[in-house]
Amino acid sequence: QVQVQESGPGLVKPSQTLSLTCTVSGGSISSAGYYWSWIRQPAGKGLEWIGRIFTSGTTNYNPSLKSRVTISLDTSRNQFSLNLISVTAADTAVYYCARDAYGDSRSFDLWGRGTLVTVSS
Amino acid sequence: DIQMTQSPSSVSASLGDRVTITCRASQGIYSWLAWYQQKPGKAPKLLIYPASTLQGGVPSRFSGSGSGTDFTLTITSLQPEDFATYYCQQATSLPPTFGGGTKVEIQ
Repeated sequence: QVQVQESGPGLVKPSQTLSLTCTVSGGSISSAGYYWSWIRQPAGKGLEWIGRIFTSGTTNYNPSLKSRVTISLDTSRNQFSLNLISVTAADTAVYYCARDAYGDSRSFDLWGRGTLVTVSS
Repeated sequence: DIQMTQSPSSVSASLGDRVTITCRASQGIYSWLAWYQQKPGKAPKLLIYPASTLQGGVPSRFSGSGSGTDFTLTITSLQPEDFATYYCQQATSLPPTFGGGTKVEIQ
């Protein structure tokens, strides 16, 4: 059974870089039919898609964050990562990694448990 | 970006009730809509895609319908485990966008 799990620091200082990794277990990150996405949710608020990466390395980002976001892939470790630069308190949120099915099944069909990242000095 | 508007933002209901949640897209999205359930402190869980197909393991009391701009999620005979927040999400164009959520509360 495929699972995804986020990891990384829970506290980041303002103006610094938020870095998270998502590890895929029980299956290959190179499996056909999927992108791999990052989604975040501020406390008590809704869901915001950050961006995604395909197994080829192709990326798509939310225009609202594009200037600050980089998503990368490490197929040898079955991981993908998120870097968000120049963070502010507004970036405080629970960050989820998710499997992003395409084709006839377009949806986020598998989610990690999420990791809370707080931006504070 | 395509804006997704859910209504109501919250609904109070009793066990056994039928609950209907509406999601409207700011432009046509064909049937590329997914529904998620989120319980406090947990990740969202996929319920339905695209528009009407139940994800494996999702009880049949959940159903989805609609196409174009207007969609509904219906829960027949509400069970204790159904009290949660529900989100719709369009999957037609980038960026994927979510509705603001509908919280189903115990009356």
